[in-house]
Amino acid sequence: DGGITQSPKYLFRKEGQNVTLSCEQNLNHDAMYWYRQDPGQGLRLIYYSQIVNDFQKGDIAEGYSVSREKKESFPLTVTSAQKNPTAFYLCASSPHRGPLEQFFGPGTRLTVL
Amino acid sequence: EDQVTQSPEALRLQEGESSSLNCSYTVSGLRGLFWYRQDPGKGPEFLFTLYSAGEEKEKERLKATLTKKESFLHITAPKPEDSATYLCAVQGGETSGSRLTFGEGTQLTVNP
Repeated sequence: DGGITQSPKYLFRKEGQNVTLSCEQNLNHDAMYWYRQDPGQGLRLIYYSQIVNDFQKGDIAEGYSVSREKKESFPLTVTSAQKNPTAFYLCASSPHRGPLEQFFGPGTRLTVL
Repeated sequence: EDQVTQSPEALRLQEGESSSLNCSYTVSGLRGLFWYRQDPGKGPEFLFTLYSAGEEKEKERLKATLTKKESFLHITAPKPEDSATYLCAVQGGETSGSRLTFGEGTQLTVNP
């Protein structure tokens, strides 16, 4: 089955620690995205990548970092500089060109203790 | 800057009571408007893409329509399993690349 996987589903972190969220897709999509969702709110774009070895900041990139070394993978690191990291993190992918929909993974819920 | 506003924030319906959700948007050069369904604790599930004013798409009890300023998601004779948060998003002109701008969603509850 083609799709997007995110791991882990739940993640707990102590303050001051960096943590990396995994996102893998086997849809052969060029573009990948990371969103953050807070309770009762919509999705806010953190970073996105339209091609391997290239990525752009979204609306709330401060305190986060990404890499895109492979087409299938787009890991997100939440650094200790992120002031309020507790949230639901969603990864998505889409073909690079055309007005085409994004497909989402199941999400990772990060809680900072 | 692209903007999306969804209303109402929350909607409670009785089973079988039809209604509509609204998505108003401001975008430079709309390339696509998207509707998603999101269940609690899960990733959004794609429902529809609309490309131009006047377009309509249907799926089971859902029908999405598009004008130059807004989109409606009509729910006919809803069932409790239609309870979810419905998200609207737009893709703007070429300068936006492939990124989407999302609204905050409408939380729909259908009571039996």
